[in-house]
Amino acid sequence: EIVLTQSPDFQSVTPKEKVTITCRASQNIGNTLHWYQQKPNQSPKLLIKYASQSISGVPSRFSGSGSGTDFTLTINSLEAEDAATYYCHQSSTLPLTFGGGTEVEI
Amino acid sequence: EVQLVESGGGLVQPGGSLRLSCAASGFTFSNYWMSWVRQAPGKGLEWVANIKQDGSEKYYVDSVKGRFTISRDNVKNSLYLQMNSLRVEDAAVYYCTRVCGGICYSDYWGQGTLVTVSS
Repeated sequence: EIVLTQSPDFQSVTPKEKVTITCRASQNIGNTLHWYQQKPNQSPKLLIKYASQSISGVPSRFSGSGSGTDFTLTINSLEAEDAATYYCHQSSTLPLTFGGGTEVEI
Repeated sequence: EVQLVESGGGLVQPGGSLRLSCAASGFTFSNYWMSWVRQAPGKGLEWVANIKQDGSEKYYVDSVKGRFTISRDNVKNSLYLQMNSLRVEDAAVYYCTRVCGGICYSDYWGQGTLVTVSS
């Protein structure tokens, strides 16, 4: 099973700040890493697919990078509505797995 | 607009059974793999199962193999999860998701249905 380790677990930030969340895979997964945003009492929403590919309708301040085992989600100029928990997810190998999540507090 | 609406959750005793349903609309259901993902209260996300467009391939996380069965009805545009021999640790919100391909990310999620396992 591929283990995804996210850091930090929690981050408290102020509006307009830049946020960086990392996700490390326990083995090489190429670019099969995706990012989701989950706001309180809502279902997850896809933010980034295949490490760096943008999703229609997602604000351009969200971007992703990385390959192999190390990946990053960056939120530029954070807005209040970005308060949420962010999860990485790998689709390289079964079982599909998720990172433990990073809670971003504004 | 893609819509996924889960139902069937509730309170069940350990060892009991429950069948979850997901009604899909806004896309051609028979063209997509589908999956179930769960989230225990206050915890992270856990993939549960995937099913191919025609139901011919199914994959499960080890912890539910032999107890849960994923199925679909392409005429009714519906996805199902039959859960037997439920355990306390199966308690979670269960999300129905549309999958981009076989082993792939979920691009749309339902609102979830809560399963509580308790005596």
